[in-house]
Amino acid sequence: GNSVTQMEGPVTLSEEAFLTINCTYTATGYPSLFWYVQYPGEGLQLLLKATKADDKGSNKGFEATYRKETTSFHLEKGSVQVSDSAVYFCALRSGGSYIPTFGRGTSLIVHP
Amino acid sequence: DGGITQSPKYLFRKEGQNVTLSCEQNLNHDAMYWYRQDPGQGLRLIYYSQIVNDFQKGDIAEGYSVSREKKESFPLTVTSAQKNPTAFYLCASTTAQPGVRVREQYFGPGTRLTVT
Repeated sequence: GNSVTQMEGPVTLSEEAFLTINCTYTATGYPSLFWYVQYPGEGLQLLLKATKADDKGSNKGFEATYRKETTSFHLEKGSVQVSDSAVYFCALRSGGSYIPTFGRGTSLIVHP
Repeated sequence: DGGITQSPKYLFRKEGQNVTLSCEQNLNHDAMYWYRQDPGQGLRLIYYSQIVNDFQKGDIAEGYSVSREKKESFPLTVTSAQKNPTAFYLCASTTAQPGVRVREQYFGPGTRLTVT
């Protein structure tokens, strides 16, 4: 079956530091890949997505590249802000499946 | 603006009582989902529905029930049979239109249920 593995958190950074949150997956076929963000007490919001190999999704300074050879979709940001503190979920959806597969989430804490 | 609404934001109930959580969407999405989230945990799928009048159990359906009488609405009932109902509940939806390659989910703001 499908699975998504994210690095354990929390990830604690100082403001303006570089961020990487690792995400690897196993899936049948050619899945679409997603990063969602959840701010405290809220629902998840789509942050970015990629649909095929070598696609780069980007939004709000965050980027992730669909790497089929390494089955990875790592999230990066060059300079984090305190307002980026949240939980980040990597997810995939395979083919015609209605059910996405989520990672366990990685908490990011950014200190001023 | 289109979106998903969940009400109420906070809900308190006594043990042994059933409680229904509301989820409404105006995105014209066919598929709707209920997830449970516990502190420090990921998302666990309770039920999902691909179309009106049809729904399927997810990974942790025991102690929960749903209905899908309208496209826009997918209420979740937490019954007294659910042993640990205190959690954060998230409703989501996605398009089921044929030919749509990328089907990201849209989430509601969540309902935090506390049962004492």
